[in-house]
Amino acid sequence: AQSVAQPEDQVNVAEGNPLTVKCTYSVSGNPYLFWYVQYPNRGLQFLLKYITGDNLVKGSYGFEAEFNKSQTSFHLKKPSALVSDSALYFCAVRDMRTGGNNRLAFGKGNQVVVIP
Amino acid sequence: DGGITQSPKYLFRKEGQNVTLSCEQNLNHDAMYWYRQDPGQGLRLIYYSQIVNDFQKGDIAEGYSVSREKKESFPLTVTSAQKNPTAFYLCASSDREIHEQYFGPGTRLTVT
Repeated sequence: AQSVAQPEDQVNVAEGNPLTVKCTYSVSGNPYLFWYVQYPNRGLQFLLKYITGDNLVKGSYGFEAEFNKSQTSFHLKKPSALVSDSALYFCAVRDMRTGGNNRLAFGKGNQVVVIP
Repeated sequence: DGGITQSPKYLFRKEGQNVTLSCEQNLNHDAMYWYRQDPGQGLRLIYYSQIVNDFQKGDIAEGYSVSREKKESFPLTVTSAQKNPTAFYLCASSDREIHEQYFGPGTRLTVT
């Protein structure tokens, strides 16, 4: 079955420092990968996706992610973190169990805390 | 939160009562989804629908029911058979051409 793993529960980073949120995946076939962000008591907001093409994907709010097939990873990055980036981040992969739909399998999420 | 609305934002019910959560989208998306979010467990899929008048069970469908009579609407009923209904419920929609899902603002259900 398709799945993603987010190995860290919480990521702490000082404001202005680079931010990395890790995600590894397990799929059969070509992966469709996504990152979402969630602020407290809100829905998820789409940040970026990898479907095919360039391994470095740029998304909203200055975030980017690097697809690495050999390491089966799709880490989310931001060169300089802001306090407003403090939120819960989810990695997701398209679940191909019943092909032809956009069902997603989500990781458990990473809490990011940016320290002023 | 795009063109997806969920109401109400907060909902309180007594144990043993059925409750229906509303989800409406104006994005003209074919597919709609219901997720349950609990602290530390990520999102778990309850039901999804790829087209009007059709829906499939997700990973945790027991104690829930849905309908899809209109493209824009996908209400979720939490029945008294759901053992632990207190949670944050998220609705989403997508189109087969864009792959990603767009989420509503969520409904926090508390059952006492």
